[in-house]
Amino acid sequence: AQKITQTQPGMFVQEKEAVTLDCTYDTSDPSYGLFWYKQPSSGEMIFLIYQGSYDQQNATEGRYSLNFQKARKSANLVISASQLGDSAMYFCATSMNTGFQKLVFGTGTRLLVSP
Amino acid sequence: NAGVMQNPRHLVRRRGQEARLRCSPMKGHSHVYWYRQLPEEGLKFMVYLQKENIIDESGMPKERFSAEFPKEGPSILRIQQVVRGDSAAYFCASSPPVGQGNGNEQFFGPGTRLTVL
Repeated sequence: AQKITQTQPGMFVQEKEAVTLDCTYDTSDPSYGLFWYKQPSSGEMIFLIYQGSYDQQNATEGRYSLNFQKARKSANLVISASQLGDSAMYFCATSMNTGFQKLVFGTGTRLLVSP
Repeated sequence: NAGVMQNPRHLVRRRGQEARLRCSPMKGHSHVYWYRQLPEEGLKFMVYLQKENIIDESGMPKERFSAEFPKEGPSILRIQQVVRGDSAAYFCASSPPVGQGNGNEQFFGPGTRLTVL
């Protein structure tokens, strides 16, 4: 069975600074994917970034990068140059790369960006 | 290209009534997933469907809950005889057929917030 652990219930960061949101995973599957989603107060789930277990390089999407450390089973999200609009819940998720994407989510981290 | 559509966005039901939640996947997507998010928690997988087939319903409660994805029309998540504990946000997600797209896409709808009085 797969499991995602997000140990930070809440994080604070000042505008324009970088912040790292932690995510560790547990899976016995040889091939898997790691996802980060943002959930603002309006409630929708916004896809941010994806990392495949066999990808050699860490994924980046604009201000988002995923610090993938396979040996440690961690997939931390780094947000650079934080903006007020980044204040939201952030969920880490994993899937088995078996052709369909049943996602297992962590409990989330609430990020608050202050001016 | 419209995203995943869900309706209604908000649904209020009294205990014992039925709730029907609808999901229209993105154009070209044939896989639909339903997740439930209880207050202050992460999303939990409920069911995965393709057209006219339930592929994995391992996350569905054994009673009162059912899902379908007919050949024509949206996917429906049906909750019979709702109880207060069913109050949650229900999200639908869709992805393209295997072998199409980049294989990593799973796009979520805006969710339906069910409140049981």
